[in-house]
Amino acid sequence: DAMVIQNPRYQVTQFGKPVTLSCSQTLNHNVMYWYQQKSSQAPKLLFHYYDKDFNNEADTPDNFQSRRPNTSFCFLDIRSPGLGDAAMYLCATSREVVAGGLETQYFGPGTRLLVL
Amino acid sequence: KQEVTQIPAALSVPEGENLVLNCSFTDSAIYNLQWFRQDPGKGLTSLLLIQSSQREQTSGRLNASLDKSSGRSTLYIAASQPGDSATYLCAVLYNFNKFYFGSGTKLNVKP
Repeated sequence: DAMVIQNPRYQVTQFGKPVTLSCSQTLNHNVMYWYQQKSSQAPKLLFHYYDKDFNNEADTPDNFQSRRPNTSFCFLDIRSPGLGDAAMYLCATSREVVAGGLETQYFGPGTRLLVL
Repeated sequence: KQEVTQIPAALSVPEGENLVLNCSFTDSAIYNLQWFRQDPGKGLTSLLLIQSSQREQTSGRLNASLDKSSGRSTLYIAASQPGDSATYLCAVLYNFNKFYFGSGTKLNVKP
């Protein structure tokens, strides 16, 4: 089945130790997103790729970086995780069907990050 | 600034009731609006997508409506079941491929 896959599902890291979260998709969608979601809050968009074009949200800390080596894969790198970065990280994909219009977003199951 | 608000934040109903969840948005220049379901500790599952030119969409016991002029959408759930218990989020797509999420309504359907 076509889907969005996130690995790992749970990640424990130490304060300040770099961590990488991965997302892959078999949907061949051109748009990929990374969201951060804390308990009982709305998902917060960190950045997204439109094809190879990287779009960073203005309030995304420099501590967060992303890579998209090809259409299928996208990585979230947290260079120096702090206690406040503990959250669920959600990857999503979508496909542009007409200019400015997108299909449904498809979400992965998320990676829950714990920072000790 | 685009803002999406969901009221109420939490809702508890007995099984079998029909219920309405609300979503409001400040900027009516939307491309589409999407309703999601999120179970605890899980990702988001898409329920319904309404394009800006549409007024409503239906899937089984779910019906979503959209009124762009008033900046509102509702999700109607008929004959609620305990398995419907989850958090329901709405997300609005504006230009530049960005979705804006509400903070959700946590629904508890009591047996």
